[in-house]
This record gives sequence, C-alpha cells and structure tokens, in this order.
Amino acid sequence: GESVGLHLPTLSVQEGDNSIINCAYSNSASDYFIWYKQESGKGPQFIIDIRSNMDKRQGQRVTVLLNKTVKHLSLQIAATQPGDSAVYFCAEGYYGQNFVFGPGTRLSVLP
Amino acid sequence: DGGITQSPKYLFRKEGQNVTLSCEQNLNHDAMYWYRQDPGQGLRLIYYSQIVNDFQKGDIAEGYSVSREKKESFPLTVTSAQKNPTAFYLCASSMGIRDRNPLHFGNGTRLTVT
Repeated sequence: GESVGLHLPTLSVQEGDNSIINCAYSNSASDYFIWYKQESGKGPQFIIDIRSNMDKRQGQRVTVLLNKTVKHLSLQIAATQPGDSAVYFCAEGYYGQNFVFGPGTRLSVLP
Repeated sequence: DGGITQSPKYLFRKEGQNVTLSCEQNLNHDAMYWYRQDPGQGLRLIYYSQIVNDFQKGDIAEGYSVSREKKESFPLTVTSAQKNPTAFYLCASSMGIRDRNPLHFGNGTRLTVT
C-alpha cells in the first residue's frame, strides 16, 4: 500500500462508536471546505463539503461542523465501521485561490 | 462510470530519465490539476489547467511539465531536473477553476526513481 499515512496523527475507535476528526484551517478568508477520505493505494474520495454561510451540514452517517471563530472544522462519523478505516483530510479554499490541503488524520477502527 | 483514470499505477525509472504520467477524465470538467503527495504532508499543487492549451504553474512546478491538448487529457512529465521525484502523484479535475466545486481525484501513480 501507499506510505502517505506515515507520521500522521492516528485516531483509534471501536467499531460502532462515533468518530470525530478535527482540522484547523489557516486562512480566515476561506469560505469553502471539503473533507476527503483516502484509502491505502487509492486517490482521495469526496465525503462532504460545507460553505462558510453554514455551521453544520449532514450527509449519510457523516456531519461536518464549521467554527469560523476559531477556524476549526470537524468531521463526525456515526457508527464507525471497518470500512471507514482510512486517512481523512480537509481542504480549504475561496474563490480565485487554489485549495490548501491538511496533512490528514489516520482513522483506525478496532473490532 | 465517469471518472479520472491515471496510468500506470506504479512506475519505476532510473535517475536522469524523463517520465510521463497519464491522466484522462470523462467527467467533461474544464479544470484539471496535478498534485504531489508525500508522507505526512498535505497535497501540493504542481500544475493546473483551466482550458485546453492553457495551464499555470502551481506551488512546486520546478522540474515538471504538462500539456493540455485535449479537454480530457492532462499528462504530466517528470523531468530529470526534478531533484526528488519519488512520490505519489494525483491528478484531479473540477467543473471550474479555483471555485467552490470539489476536486475529483484519480487513484494516483506511484513513481519511484532510483
């Protein structure tokens, strides 16, 4: 598999528990945020996005929370499953600028 | 299914050789991008293209070149001038350039130069 997950912070959760993955973004001008999931040996997969006019957005088993005051983004995964094991990273951007990507967090789901 | 195809998945080259990585998309997206991924780091932008026959340098363009002769294709050449070419390379596309649309990624090419 790929070594892209080396030296990343790791979050270990029990199967069935909820997971919370955090991301601190850098630019207060950023108004669009994306969460990606990357499994070993694969490219990043879009999970969910949110614009800065929202504080919360829900998808299937996932929720993204945005706190613009402290420039913090979180991804909540409900009832974590073994298939959720991957590296998760956030991206921030605003119109006219290229996205900036965080290094990611490795999620490990324990049986 | 619509998507982005990168080939090959693994590529091995000797130092001093140029190598070209393929990226094809059938999403009808205007914008295409090349990123480099190294362990423990966020994705870094190499080149991007908004339309055919036009492309711009990203943050780490030195030692790389691209072309955009067709909307569907955006090949990346890693030249011998790239000092540390061993990495995982990701191609992406989006509906528009640098706007509020997510990037869609291919499954990457792992390049190893010895």
